[in-house]
Amino acid sequence: NAGVMQNPRHLVRRRGQEARLRCSPMKGHSHVYWYRQLPEEGLKFMVYLQKENIIDESGMPKERFSAEFPKEGPSILRIQQVVRGDSAAYFCASSPNTDSRYGYTFGSGTRLTVV
Amino acid sequence: GQSLEQPSEVTAVEGAIVQINCTYQTSGFYGLSWYQQHDGGAPTFLSYNALDGLEETGRFSSFLSRSDSYGYLLLQELQMKDSASYFCAVRDSNDYKLSFGAGTTVTVRA
Repeated sequence: NAGVMQNPRHLVRRRGQEARLRCSPMKGHSHVYWYRQLPEEGLKFMVYLQKENIIDESGMPKERFSAEFPKEGPSILRIQQVVRGDSAAYFCASSPNTDSRYGYTFGSGTRLTVV
Repeated sequence: GQSLEQPSEVTAVEGAIVQINCTYQTSGFYGLSWYQQHDGGAPTFLSYNALDGLEETGRFSSFLSRSDSYGYLLLQELQMKDSASYFCAVRDSNDYKLSFGAGTTVTVRA
């Protein structure tokens, strides 16, 4: 298993376009978390999903942002009508359960640049 | 919500010992974790403390005092490859997500 796979690694979008970020969790992991990171800052929680369910979206802006984790296929973070302030690194993490002892496994992130 | 404080940066020489402190505020505590991130890459899990005391894993150790809402990560026998950002993170017992501190950049000099 190659771990948590995110694609694309880099994404450039013009203002007003849509950005789709994909995350395939580790095999056997059914819990997915999305985080956003600005340069020199920490990881800000956005959303926590299990298969076909959004468990906690308290960190995700109500407008333009959505996330899903379908029964089949990767988790998708979707940003509509992107603005320059959306430029950031978006990390996905997965875990097999809610036990924190074993930590999250993170992907390498998607660097979104809005021009 | 949760808030965490940790120093923004630390510089030390190879072979030295570095301690990164983390204080947190959370309504319900469910453990303190530490993660390492090199050059904006994938953060990697280092350690987890749910109970008071010291957990040792090789050159890295992590400590927790729940009564003081405080923990630290101890890096011993520093090596150049330890230059990275280190984040403390807490999980609130009322939800499942990890909340991260702003990170401490550790620079190891020869």
